[in-house]
Amino acid sequence: EDQVTQSPEALRLQEGESSSLNCSYTVSGLRGLFWYRQDPGKGPEFLFTLYSAGEEKEKERLKATLTKKESFLHITAPKPEDSATYLCAVHLPSIVGAQKLVFGQGTRLTINP
Amino acid sequence: DGGITQSPKYLFRKEGQNVTLSCEQNLNHDAMYWYRQDPGQGLRLIYYSQIVNDFQKGDIAEGYSVSREKKESFPLTVTSAQKNPTAFYLCASSTRARSNQPQHFGDGTRLSIL
Repeated sequence: EDQVTQSPEALRLQEGESSSLNCSYTVSGLRGLFWYRQDPGKGPEFLFTLYSAGEEKEKERLKATLTKKESFLHITAPKPEDSATYLCAVHLPSIVGAQKLVFGQGTRLTINP
Repeated sequence: DGGITQSPKYLFRKEGQNVTLSCEQNLNHDAMYWYRQDPGQGLRLIYYSQIVNDFQKGDIAEGYSVSREKKESFPLTVTSAQKNPTAFYLCASSTRARSNQPQHFGDGTRLSIL
């Protein structure tokens, strides 16, 4: 069974305190991995796509990396506005013409000023 | 601006009632999706549609129905057969030809039971 697990479930940091969120997966084939940010009461907002092990993507204070079994979302010197739930989703090659995504349960990140 | 519009934002269902959630997109995407989000769980796929007049069941389709009469619209009906409908419902879309592009999401509809 395809599974995606995110850890920790919740993380509370002080402003400026860097850390990493983990997304580990056991799936039968990987076309890519997506990271999304979700604010309360809103839909997920796309952040990054990673396609192959060793790939890295950066955007402002966020950097996403990918290995064969997991992905990390590194957050450097976070600010309170970075507080959100971060979701990862694995793209599986099982539906022609549409995407089959398996989502993790998310990490709820809180940055205290 | 291009995007996905879901309505209503909040919806209440009475016992034995069917309710319909609206999803409209102006991104010219071929594929559209409905997900259900429950606290502490990942998004779960209810139904998806690759093209007009075609749709497929996802992982948790029981108690739900959809239609795709127009490219821009993919409404979801939560029927009385869905015994635990309280959840946050998200609609998404993606391009078909370049399916490695990310899905774009609406801002959801929160459904509760009266």
